[in-house]
Amino acid sequence: EAGVTQFPSHSVIEKGQTVTLRCDPISGHDNLYWYRRVMGKEIKFLLHFVKESKQDESGMPNNRFLAERTGGTYSTLKVQPAELEDSGVYFCASSQTGGLSPLHFGNGTRLTVT
Amino acid sequence: QKEVEQNSGPLSVPEGAIASLNCTYSDRGSQSFFWYRQYSGKSPELIMFIYSNGDKEDGRFTAQLNKASQYVSLLIRDSQPSDSATYLCAARSNTGKLIFGQGTTLQVKP
Repeated sequence: EAGVTQFPSHSVIEKGQTVTLRCDPISGHDNLYWYRRVMGKEIKFLLHFVKESKQDESGMPNNRFLAERTGGTYSTLKVQPAELEDSGVYFCASSQTGGLSPLHFGNGTRLTVT
Repeated sequence: QKEVEQNSGPLSVPEGAIASLNCTYSDRGSQSFFWYRQYSGKSPELIMFIYSNGDKEDGRFTAQLNKASQYVSLLIRDSQPSDSATYLCAARSNTGKLIFGQGTTLQVKP
């Protein structure tokens, strides 16, 4: 079974530019989550999809961040325009339905905004 | 107050000893709790989860939950240098998302 895959693994962009991160969840997992870890801080929740619907987007920092999951398969997270404080590692995770279903994480995308 | 709190460490133990990692949470509505291990530059990987009060054992790992005290712990027996990593405690909210603590760095010295 293929795990959660994220692309790209690294991205270096200048302030003001746009970046789009992609996540392919494990096949059959309806739940898809985006998290972010800023250096020295805990992994923070951004957003939760159930299939193509946004279940919880309470962690999205501001309207420069846009997440989509068209068709309920892969998801994209776009940052436009990027700011310096957006630098960090963006993790995607997926899970099956059920309160005891663990989240399976991808390897993350390390975003550096200069 | 953070929703999930962990001592960032580092926690240093000699090889073969028991490592004890602790976590407290603030949301009494949390029903299940997860321990992840994260090696530097890698993704978090699940070690185990617990949802009932008491102990749950899996190999060298034992998770402990005390809902009255809002306390979760992870014991690692016969610690090995390969166990050196950051251990993340997470509580599941009633909406399904996991809330993570900052993580505890464990160093197992040969």
